[in-house]
Amino acid sequence: GAGVSQTPSNKVTEKGKYVELRCDPISGHTALYWYRQSLGQGPEFLIYFQGTGAADDSGLPNDRFFAVRPEGSVSTLKIQRTERGDSAVYLCASRTTGGSGEAFFGQGTRLTVV
Amino acid sequence: QQQVKQSPQSLIVQKGGISIINCAYENTAFDYFPWYQQFPGKGPALLIAIRPDVSEKKEGRFTISFNKSAKQFSLHIMDSQPGDSATYFCAASRDSNYQLIWGAGTKLIIKP
Repeated sequence: GAGVSQTPSNKVTEKGKYVELRCDPISGHTALYWYRQSLGQGPEFLIYFQGTGAADDSGLPNDRFFAVRPEGSVSTLKIQRTERGDSAVYLCASRTTGGSGEAFFGQGTRLTVV
Repeated sequence: QQQVKQSPQSLIVQKGGISIINCAYENTAFDYFPWYQQFPGKGPALLIAIRPDVSEKKEGRFTISFNKSAKQFSLHIMDSQPGDSATYFCAASRDSNYQLIWGAGTKLIIKP
């Protein structure tokens, strides 16, 4: 596709449930990032993939959060036993390695835990 | 050391005026300083970025001023237009891994 695509755009789930958020990066972009943005705040880094491997997962808040990128393209962020504090917009970005370094962001998935 | 502090939190400017947003950082390892523009319901979009080997970068109506010794950088929007109304974020990173550390954002409103 032309840009980074995230699905779903909105997700409402009950506390304690499991959710998966999907990111389709720009074709050919080897680097992929997940960020979390709470209302009125800047995005907060979660995890960075270079190809299929997680190069830096230091931003994941706890072991309820996990992300995969099995074929080096699409990535899925998985959240187990969701809590109300997990409510936020989850942003995905991708970029090429080298070059201008610009990261392109998707529109985000708004997760609401009720 | 990882923080990026952004001010003001909100800003109202008359059409045609100059909008100025400031950021300060602590980590001297940062070497990439982008500004992002975000409209409601959209992801952030890169506006302009600078590296510490230059003190100023201009692209159209947007200028970044960078003060390495003070560890500060700012965004200037000249001839501000109502279409510039958005939330602006500064960020910083070490280019090697591009994990962006973000400011808290500035909500800019341009009054017609």
